[in-house]
This record gives sequence, structure tokens and C-alpha cells, in this order.
Amino acid sequence: DQQVKQNSPSLSVQEGRISILNCDYTNSMFDYFLWYKKYPAEGPTFLISISSIKDKNEDGRFTVFLNKSAKHLSLHIVPSQPGDSAVYFCAASGATGGFKTIFGAGTRLFVKA
Amino acid sequence: KAGVTQTPRYLIKTRGQQVTLSCSPISGHRSVSWYQQTPGQGLQFLFEYFSETQRNKGNFPGRFSGRQFSNSRSEMNVSTLELGDSALYLCASREGAGETQYFGPGTRLLVL
Repeated sequence: DQQVKQNSPSLSVQEGRISILNCDYTNSMFDYFLWYKKYPAEGPTFLISISSIKDKNEDGRFTVFLNKSAKHLSLHIVPSQPGDSAVYFCAASGATGGFKTIFGAGTRLFVKA
Repeated sequence: KAGVTQTPRYLIKTRGQQVTLSCSPISGHRSVSWYQQTPGQGLQFLFEYFSETQRNKGNFPGRFSGRQFSNSRSEMNVSTLELGDSALYLCASREGAGETQYFGPGTRLLVL
């Protein structure tokens, strides 16, 4: 049972444009959501998070939007840079699940120069 | 602070053998989680330890086990290795429940 889904395995974007990565979840008890970035041969790096009491969180070029009614979150990267090319994982956790963090399958982002 | 460290970084084993992987969390972090990453499968949760007790467990067979020591360092053991166990094994630590996890570089295991 995939509780966190990233339906796009890959995304290609031109440098300078916006990258939008999407994530859907099924468990309404999740109350904390995170995005991680992963380069080859490295562990995932924490990027940005959002709690369920908010609908937007911004950190520099990265903004995460949460739509609780649709059980959907997205990560916007503006402007996209070639160094952003990596695999992005969406994750969710909640108190009722013992704060176990569930990850999506990841989306590979290619930013073309 | 030093980050999460994992040893070894690479490992080659044959079917039927067993393997032990080690993880040292960030200083002060009492929670350690283990994940398996295979192509197209994302990060599959194995288990989480907090203060030497297993707090959460994923849907993996009993061949996968772990433990945590009093200094918060953790080990993961896989017995009777199968070809399908070839994967990147990631360890993550955090201060406590509900906090953000920070990952180590992983141990890449190849089972021949």
C-alpha cells in the first residue's frame, strides 16, 4: 500500500524556468511533510518541510505547497538551476503512525542549461 | 556537528551469507532509522530505534534485524542473503519523534 505517491518518475526543465514536483498521499493522519534531494552516491539531503497547519512554506528558491483537502503537496523551484538536477523524494509522517516517515518513489529532475 | 556516518560504504557478499552494517548518528540524536533503496522503489522503511528500543518496524522479513547501543550507534543485520537484497541501505538520525531526519551516505550492498 503506497501511502505516499510521486507519479512522475522524471521531469525535464529548462534552466531559469520553474520546476514543479508533485506528491499525493492517502493517509489523512499525516501531519508533517518533507522534501529531500538526493544526488547519486550520496544520502538524501533535507530540503524543506511543512506541517499540516500551514499551506505554504518558503525557503529561498524552494516553496512547498500543501493542499490538505486534496491530500496533495508540491515543491516549486524557481528559478531552476543545473545543480538542482537530482532525485527528489517526498515524505510524510504523523503522530498516530509513531512518526514513522514514509517516502515516495522519487522524481528525477533534469535541469537543462 | 559531524553528520551521520555509515560503514562500510560498499560491500559484496554471496547468497546465503550474512552481513552487518553500522551507523553512527549525529551527536545528540537518539533515534536511528534504516531504509532500503532499490531502483524505482524509493526508500522502504525497515525499522527505527530510539534509546535502544525498536519503536517502529516496516514490512520486511525476519532476516532483517537491528539493534541500537547505549551510545545511539546502530547496527543492521541481514541473514541468509538473497539476490534481491542488493540495494543501497540508508541510515537516518533525528533528535526525537516528529523531528526531521538526517541521512548518512549509505552502504551499497551487492549480493552475488
